[in-house]
Amino acid sequence: GNSVTQMEGPVTLSEEAFLTINCTYTATGYPSLFWYVQYPGEGLQLLLKATKADDKGSNKGFEATYRKETTSFHLEKGSVQVSDSAVYFCALSDQEAGTALIFGKGTTLSVSS
Amino acid sequence: EPEVTQTPSHQVTQMGQEVILRCVPISNHLYFYWYRQILGQKVEFLVSFYNNEISEKSEIFDDQFSVERPDGSNFTLKIRSTKLEDSAMYFCASRGSTQYQETQYFGPGTRLLVL
Repeated sequence: GNSVTQMEGPVTLSEEAFLTINCTYTATGYPSLFWYVQYPGEGLQLLLKATKADDKGSNKGFEATYRKETTSFHLEKGSVQVSDSAVYFCALSDQEAGTALIFGKGTTLSVSS
Repeated sequence: EPEVTQTPSHQVTQMGQEVILRCVPISNHLYFYWYRQILGQKVEFLVSFYNNEISEKSEIFDDQFSVERPDGSNFTLKIRSTKLEDSAMYFCASRGSTQYQETQYFGPGTRLLVL
């Protein structure tokens, strides 16, 4: 079945450091891929998405490229801020298997000044 | 900007009691979802709802659970007889008015604690 695997956290970085959070997926069809972010005490917010191979999603300085050959959708940011501290979830939606989102376990990012 | 809202934000209940969690999806959305997140674990899909009926459900969504859209705005999740393991954050989500609008928008969640 479909699944998402994320790197385990927590990830602890200093402000302005480079961020990578790895995400790989298994899917039988051609999924759409998403990154959601959950700030402390809040719900899930869509950060970015990509709907087909080689698409790059970007938002707020974050980027992720849909790599079909490596079944990956790694999240990157060149210079993190304290305000980026949150839990990041990689997710997929495979229309052939239904519309439910399948999430990874989430990666906690903590950025210190 | 339109958003999904959920009430209550927190609920504490005794084991065996019924609870109803409420959601108001974004007004022109037609697809509705419930997910849950047990503390420290991944977000898990429970059920999706379209055109006044369940379109998908997971193994978690057993006979103890039901969903309803009682009017034009609310979407509810009922747990008939809560168990300790139902303690979790429950998220409602909705998505756009066509089958091609894939992005799901989430509410802030209801934290349910079963004692």
